[in-house]
Formats: sequence, structure tokens, C-alpha cells
Amino acid sequence: QQQVKQSPQSLIVQKGGIPIINCAYENTAFDYFPWYQQFPGKGPALLIAIRPDVSEKKEGRFTISFNKSAKQFSLHIMDSQPGDSATYFCAAAMEYGNKLVFGAGTILRVKS
Amino acid sequence: DGGITQSPKYLFRKEGQNVTLSCEQNLNHDAMYWYRQDPGQGLRLIYYSQIVNDFQKGDIAEGYSVSREKKESFPLTVTSAQKNPTAFYLCATQSNYGYTFGSGTRLTVV
Repeated sequence: QQQVKQSPQSLIVQKGGIPIINCAYENTAFDYFPWYQQFPGKGPALLIAIRPDVSEKKEGRFTISFNKSAKQFSLHIMDSQPGDSATYFCAAAMEYGNKLVFGAGTILRVKS
Repeated sequence: DGGITQSPKYLFRKEGQNVTLSCEQNLNHDAMYWYRQDPGQGLRLIYYSQIVNDFQKGDIAEGYSVSREKKESFPLTVTSAQKNPTAFYLCATQSNYGYTFGSGTRLTVV
């Protein structure tokens, strides 16, 4: 049972574009939604996270938008750069980070 | 990476052989996790441990075993019962700031 559905599977944008990655969840008990960035051959690294009591959170060029009623959240990367090319995972958990459930991942390529 | 050391980086397993992947942390975190990563499938939880001498099965525990004798160490054994072990294995710890992952071990069956 896939509890977090992530789309698209892959994404190509031009430098300066705004890639958007979407995730949808099923379990309404989830209350912690992080995004991870992974470069080839490395472990994922926490990028940004949000709790359901806010609808948007920004950290630098990265923004999470959260729609609790639709059970959806998304990652926007402003002014994308070739160095942002990586795999991005959304995740969800109950009780602030316990037993994260991951989406399938999105491979992002930013063309220079 | 971030105080988590996974070794070896690459591992080759023959058919019918058990292999053990090492995960050591110096972050003083209680909770540790093992995930398996396959292309297009995200990360799937194998085993996790919230405290020394205790661990729980994750979603895909069949064919794997773990131990947690020390807070710093959470080794994963891939047994011969795991029919499709070729994958990228990731160890993680958990703090109030989220998960910290190691750099992974890539296991290949030869």
C-alpha cells in the first residue's frame, strides 16, 4: 500500500525555471511532511519540512505548499540551477518524524 | 556523513551467502533505521530500533536480520532467504530535526 504518492517521476527544466513536485497522502494522522534531496551515490539529506498547521514554508529558494483538505503538498524550487539536479523525495510521518513513509522520488534535471 | 558511517560502500554477494552491512553513528541518537532503495520505488523500511536491545520489523523485513547491542551500532544482515537483495541500502538515525542518512551501501548479487 503506497501511502504517499509522488509525481512526476522525472522532470526536466531550464535553468531559472520553477520545477514543482507534488505529493499526496492518504493517512490523515500524518503530521510531519519533510522533503529530502539525494545526489547520486549519496544518502538523502533533509531539505525542508512542514507541519499541517501552516500552508506554506520557505527556506531560501525552496518552498513547500501544503493543502490539508486535499491531503496534498508540493515542493517548488525557485530560480533552479544545474546544481539542483538530484532526486527529490517527499515523506510523511505521524508523531514528528517517526517511521517516515517515502514517496517514490522525482529525478530532476536542470539544464544550463 | 553527518556522523553516520556505512561500510562497505560496495558489496558483492554470491548466491546463498549471508552478508552483513555495517552502520555506526556518533550522534548519540536513540533511533536507527534501515531502508532499501530500488529505482522508482523510493525508500522502503526494513527494520528499525528505538532503543538498545530492541528492534522492530518494517515493511520488507523478510530475508533480513538486525541486532542492536550498542547504541552506536545497528548492523544489517542480508540472508540467503532474501531472493532479490541487489539494491542500495541506507541507514539513518532520528533526532528532533529529522532523519540523518549515511552514504549507503550498494549490494550486488554476483
